Amino acid sequence: AAGVIQSPRHLIKEKRETATLKCYPIPRHDTVYWYQQGPGQDPQFLISFYEKMQSDKGSIPDRFSAQQFSDYHSELNMSSLELGDSALYFCASSGGDSRANEQFFGPGTRLTVL
Amino acid sequence: GEDVEQSLFLSVREGDSSVINCTYTDSSSTYLYWYKQEPGAGLQLLTYIFSNMDMKQDQRLTVLLNKKDKHLSLRIADTQTGDSAIYFCAEAKPNSGYALNFGKGTSLLVTP
Repeated sequence: AAGVIQSPRHLIKEKRETATLKCYPIPRHDTVYWYQQGPGQDPQFLISFYEKMQSDKGSIPDRFSAQQFSDYHSELNMSSLELGDSALYFCASSGGDSRANEQFFGPGTRLTVL
Repeated sequence: GEDVEQSLFLSVREGDSSVINCTYTDSSSTYLYWYKQEPGAGLQLLTYIFSNMDMKQDQRLTVLLNKKDKHLSLRIADTQTGDSAIYFCAEAKPNSGYALNFGKGTSLLVTP
């Protein structure tokens, strides 16, 4: 079965640079979530989208923005990167034939800020 | 998340049962989940329980929910070395779009 696709899988940036992470949800899923997992930490909810509209907002810094496009893929844009932004960024999707409360996670993008 | 607590480590022998515990504070939590994360990998949904249920069984996994004590447990029967991973308890509510609030995770080590 198709899973959530994230790209790139690894990304290395310098401080103050920008980064864009992409997420392609499972086909027919209409909801996308973004989570940030720091080293040795639990995942923290950043933001979610349902049918291309922002659904809920968590601990997303003002330097970050995200959107969901007409094909339901989502992008997380990160500006003025800081060392503390180094983390695993997960995207999850739900909807379609699965229940609304079931989220399926992608493999994550590992962002390293130097 | 600060409202979901788990013990950090558990070590069991192969073939034994493992029990991972979790407590939560938000009584309005509607769904409670268990996710598994292997090193360097994503989060795999193992099972979840709706808050009006006491127990859910799925093959080797049994979830028990004590709503009064806000206590959730995951029992893994016949634990195998491949079960070694970090197990996250999480809660969600429909009025927050089912955004997951995770515990810190329990690192399960299965020894031969």
